[in-house]
Amino acid sequence: QKEVEQNSGPLSVPEGAIASLNCTYSDRGSQSFFWYRQYSGKSPELIMFIYSNGDKEDGRFTAQLNKASQYVSLLIRDSQPSDSATYLCAVNTNDYKLSFGAGTTVTVRA
Amino acid sequence: KAGVTQTPRYLIKTRGQQVTLSCSPISGHRSVSWYQQTPGQGLQFLFEYFSETQRNKGNFPGRFSGRQFSNSRSEMNVSTLELGDSALYLCASSLGTPQETQYFGPGTRLLVL
Repeated sequence: QKEVEQNSGPLSVPEGAIASLNCTYSDRGSQSFFWYRQYSGKSPELIMFIYSNGDKEDGRFTAQLNKASQYVSLLIRDSQPSDSATYLCAVNTNDYKLSFGAGTTVTVRA
Repeated sequence: KAGVTQTPRYLIKTRGQQVTLSCSPISGHRSVSWYQQTPGQGLQFLFEYFSETQRNKGNFPGRFSGRQFSNSRSEMNVSTLELGDSALYLCASSLGTPQETQYFGPGTRLLVL
């Protein structure tokens, strides 16, 4: 079983729609959770982090964490063409490393 | 603050050679982590250093090694290069606690011929 799994893409959404990205993790001891965005040919950049169960909103992005279900998600509201990228879910298990999912590629259609 | 910097940005080597990559963290960050990214395997953790000590290591052969200097700058070395070592090598820095966000540098793209 992989440490971090993301819903397989690619995900194509029309401009203005909501993009929903999902991620599950295997280690119940995981403490911190991150969403990174990676444009083609670039390095990952942080979108959001979340530590506690519930929702966390930042502009058009909302992260949701459910530790009991070992599930974290990212919603992108009012999707824009500039949101077209690969989104990486990362989990830190207190051992000084991030485990990454394979990523979900999102395409926003104008 | 200046971001994480990595040098060189691009590198072409031949099989059997060795290579050294460099990473300068964000000022004040004492933790440096290294990752390998390939299309087939995604982002994989290589190792993490904090105050010149390696605190964790991923499942890579001993050909991959690293070190950190007293100014927190880090280097990673790959000896006896193989074709499969062609990848984007990413360095990330953070303050050093597990909960802290890791910020990535632009990466070094290595091509092994």
